[in-house]
Amino acid sequence: RKEVEQDPGPFNVPEGATVAFNCTYSNSASQSFFWYRQDCRKEPKLLMSVYSSGNEDGRFTAQLNRASQYISLLIRDSKLSDSATYLCVVNIANNRLAFGKGNQVVVIP
Amino acid sequence: EPEVTQTPSHQVTQMGQEVILRCVPISNHLYFYWYRQILGQKVEFLVSFYNNEISEKSEIFDDQFSVERPDGSNFTLKIRSTKLEDSAMYFCASSTDRGVYEQYFGPGTRLTVT
Repeated sequence: RKEVEQDPGPFNVPEGATVAFNCTYSNSASQSFFWYRQDCRKEPKLLMSVYSSGNEDGRFTAQLNRASQYISLLIRDSKLSDSATYLCVVNIANNRLAFGKGNQVVVIP
Repeated sequence: EPEVTQTPSHQVTQMGQEVILRCVPISNHLYFYWYRQILGQKVEFLVSFYNNEISEKSEIFDDQFSVERPDGSNFTLKIRSTKLEDSAMYFCASSTDRGVYEQYFGPGTRLTVT
């Protein structure tokens, strides 16, 4: 089983709509979780950390379900500038991150 | 806002040549990392570095690879004898601590091996 699995999409989203996607991870001992955003041929940029209680940052909401080993990201009121690939990232050892392949989001005017 | 920087942005080299990729981590960070991303694939961990030694490395990080912190600011990745399959984007990252702490990535060096 892959360390982090994501459905790559693409997710075509009308501007102003809500989009949500999940990822699953295999290592039940993982302690920290993140969503990164990656634009084409650029570096991953930290979007948000994901906490057990769930957390929200503006239009972005992240949830963690440890029992089912999945992490979700919801984007409300999508903007054209949200078009990017969203990477689910799990810390699988003390300082080693495992990345999913990413969910590609295309916001359509 | 402090950021990780990397040089060069693009390196073209011939198979069998040695390359050194350079990174300047964020100044108060203590943990340093190298990742790579082959075009169209996911980001893969190569190595982590703390207190002047490797703390963890992946199966990809074989004897052809080495890392060094030659001074107080630079962190380098050396590939001794490049292969065609080493062509990828190489990202440096740093964090204040290990584990739950966020890692911040540099803009990457695109390595093309011909």
